[in-house]
Amino acid sequence: DAGVTQSPTHLIKTRGQQVTLRCSPKSGHDTVSWYQQALGQGPQFIFQYYEEEERQRGNFPDRFSGHQFPNYSSELNVNALLLGDSALYLCASSSPAVGADTQYFGPGTRLTVL
Amino acid sequence: LAKTTQPISMDSYEGQEVNITCSHNNIATNDYITWYQQFPSQGPRFIIQGYKTKVTNEVASLFIPADRKSSTLSLPRVSLSDTAVYYCLVGAHENFNKCYFGSGTKLNVKP
Repeated sequence: DAGVTQSPTHLIKTRGQQVTLRCSPKSGHDTVSWYQQALGQGPQFIFQYYEEEERQRGNFPDRFSGHQFPNYSSELNVNALLLGDSALYLCASSSPAVGADTQYFGPGTRLTVL
Repeated sequence: LAKTTQPISMDSYEGQEVNITCSHNNIATNDYITWYQQFPSQGPRFIIQGYKTKVTNEVASLFIPADRKSSTLSLPRVSLSDTAVYYCLVGAHENFNKCYFGSGTKLNVKP
């Protein structure tokens, strides 16, 4: 049973660039949430996708956008990167049909903005 | 935000039982209580989830009093590999955007 997978593992970008991160949910899950985790802090909710639509959003600017594909995988896009966007980006999956209130996290993508 | 409060850090020795308490005074009726374990540069790992009373699985127990304003994660006989940050999260699937991880509890297990 495959868990949540994310790619790439690490990424280095410069200020002003754009980045795309990818996530495949756990088998049987159809809901994907994205989190940002700065060093030494807990994860912060960015947004959630279900049925290819953004369903919930945290307190992040619209430089952060996403997409969900018919196979439930998801992308997180960040435009006009800032130094403060350097963080571990986590994807979590869940399913309204099975244990909706339980999220399972992927290993994360470490983004460094120079 | 469904805010939670946990101790910043705790120390323990191998073989001891560790109890980590989380306060969540503004928990809503539909909210569940979920605990995660996180190692450096890895994603949080689900440990246990509960709604009320006591829940036990193969790795931990979760105690929730009747008023649900707090919860206690119990780790029996910890080992060095249990050194990690533990997060208490309160919320439900319809309000994940209002869940608050906080800074977690750094558990340091000593030999």
